[in-house]
Amino acid sequence: DQQVKQNSPSLSVQEGRISILNCDYTNSMFDYFLWYKKYPAEGPTFLISISSIKDKNEDGRFTVFLNKSAKHLSLHIVPSQPGDSAVYFCAARRADGLTFGKGTHLIIQP
Amino acid sequence: NAGVTQTPKFQVLKTGQSMTLQCAQDMNHEYMSWYRQDPGMGLRLIHYSVGAGITDQGEVPNGYNVSRSTTEDFPLRLLSAAPSQTSVYFCASRGGGNSPLHFGNGTRLTVT
Repeated sequence: DQQVKQNSPSLSVQEGRISILNCDYTNSMFDYFLWYKKYPAEGPTFLISISSIKDKNEDGRFTVFLNKSAKHLSLHIVPSQPGDSAVYFCAARRADGLTFGKGTHLIIQP
Repeated sequence: NAGVTQTPKFQVLKTGQSMTLQCAQDMNHEYMSWYRQDPGMGLRLIHYSVGAGITDQGEVPNGYNVSRSTTEDFPLRLLSAAPSQTSVYFCASRGGGNSPLHFGNGTRLTVT
């Protein structure tokens, strides 16, 4: 039973355009959501987070939107840069740790 | 500023062998955890600890043991390796409140 779903295994975006990565969850008890970025042969690195009491959080080029009624969150990257090419994981916090989605491989095309 | 350090980076085991994956953090974090990442599966929680002397099971604990004798170290033991334990293992730690998890760079384990 996958509680955090990232339905797009990969996404290709032109450099300079907006990248939108999506994530759906099923457990309404999740109270905190995070996005992680992962390069090959490295551990995931924290990107941005949002509490369930908010609907938007911005940090530079990165914005996370949360729609609680739809149990959906999205990560917007504007403008997309070549260094953004990586696997992005959506995660939701539970009492013992984080539940991760399967990841979306973002490819930024020059 | 080392953060979370995992050793070894790579390991090959034969079925039935045992080994310990090491994890150390220098951020004085109380919470530490182990995840495994398999192709198409995301990261899944194996075991976690909320402080020295306290450990608990995560989502996929079978075949793994942990202990937490100090705040800094959280080793993961495979008592009798199986091919199904071929994976990339990540150790992570975090501080209190809404602090995010900080991950190590992983150990790639192959069991033949």
